[in-house]
Amino acid sequence: DQQVKQNSPSLSVQEGRISILNCDYTNSMFDYFLWYKKYPAEGPTFLISISSIKDKNEDGRFTVFLNKSAKHLSLHIVPSQPGDSAVYFCAARPLAQKLVFGQGTRLTINP
Amino acid sequence: NAGVTQTPKFRILKIGQSMTLQCAQDMNHNYMYWYRQDPGMGLKLIYYSVGAGITDKGEVPNGYNVSRSTTEDFPLRLELAAPSQTSVYFCASSPGQGIGDTQYFGPGTRLTVL
Repeated sequence: DQQVKQNSPSLSVQEGRISILNCDYTNSMFDYFLWYKKYPAEGPTFLISISSIKDKNEDGRFTVFLNKSAKHLSLHIVPSQPGDSAVYFCAARPLAQKLVFGQGTRLTINP
Repeated sequence: NAGVTQTPKFRILKIGQSMTLQCAQDMNHNYMYWYRQDPGMGLKLIYYSVGAGITDKGEVPNGYNVSRSTTEDFPLRLELAAPSQTSVYFCASSPGQGIGDTQYFGPGTRLTVL
């Protein structure tokens, strides 16, 4: 039972354009959502988060949008840079509970 | 600060062998976690700990054991290695599990069981 799904295993975007990574969830009790970024041979690193009381959170080039009615989360990267090439994991949890991770999306930024 | 450290980085085991994956954190975090990541899959929680002396099972605990004798260390034990345990293992820690508490990950241990 995959409670957090990232349906696109990979995404290729041209440098300077917008990258949009998507994530769907099924558990309506989730109230905190995070995105992690992972480079090869490294552990995931925290990128940005959003709580269920908000619908948008911005941090520099990264913006996360939350649509609770659709149970959908997205990460926008503008403009995309070569260093953004990595695997991105969406994660979610109910209050004070353990994180549930999606399968990841491999983002490739082409020069 | 070193953050979360894991040893070894790589290991090859034969079926039936045992080993311990080491994890240490220097951030004085109460919570620690062990995950495994299989190809094309997300991270699956094996075990976690909310403080020294307290551990609990995650989603995929079978074949593993943990202990937490200190705040800093959280070793993961494989007693009888099986090919299904071939994976990349990540240790993580966090101050708590409230809003704003994010998990910090180690670099991972790539384990192959032949």
